[in-house]
Amino acid sequence: NAGVTQTPKFQVLKTGQSMTLQCAQDMNHEYMSWYRQDPGMGLRLIHYSVGAGITDQGEVPNGYNVSRSTTEDFPLRLLSAAPSQTSVYFCASTPSAGGETGGYTFGSGTRLTVV
Amino acid sequence: GQQLNQSPQSMFIQEGEDVSMNCTSSSIFNTWLWYKQDPGEGPVLLIALYKAGELTSNGRLTAQFGITRKDSFLNISASIPSDVGIYFCAGQLSTNAGKSTFGDGTTLTVKP
Repeated sequence: NAGVTQTPKFQVLKTGQSMTLQCAQDMNHEYMSWYRQDPGMGLRLIHYSVGAGITDQGEVPNGYNVSRSTTEDFPLRLLSAAPSQTSVYFCASTPSAGGETGGYTFGSGTRLTVV
Repeated sequence: GQQLNQSPQSMFIQEGEDVSMNCTSSSIFNTWLWYKQDPGEGPVLLIALYKAGELTSNGRLTAQFGITRKDSFLNISASIPSDVGIYFCAGQLSTNAGKSTFGDGTTLTVKP
């Protein structure tokens, strides 16, 4: 199993450009989430999905859109990139809502720079 | 929203020493998780705790779920150079595992 796959690994954008960060998992997990990580800070939740067709906002959703048309894929769209969105983005998945699910499986991240 | 306070922010230790770090929350959680992040990689789960008071080990790592459900700690015994990295705690409510709250991390440096 590949686990959680994120593409691209690195990206440089100009202010105002849009792009989509891809995330795919092959573990049939219900839950998927997007986090951003900034230096000296923990992981902050952007958006999450509890299943195909269902998404919700996290702590820092402004400037980002998501959709979940399949169980496997959960892309993150930057609508109009800003320097404040320079960060490392992680996609993660977990089997289900509750119980002893064993936590997240994370992808290896997308390092985004907005100039 | 829920906030996690993780301490210490960083640690510099000699190889062979024991390490202790902890997380406290203003709210209760049903699950506490500890992750490790190596440079350039995503976090990897180390230990998951599901019951208040639970003490769980994974090799040289031991973690406990506080009885108040508002705190957790992680101990690493006999540290080795490959223990270097950032350690994160995370809390979950059982009804919404997709919305984990993370601490800011403890950066561990181990001197050979």
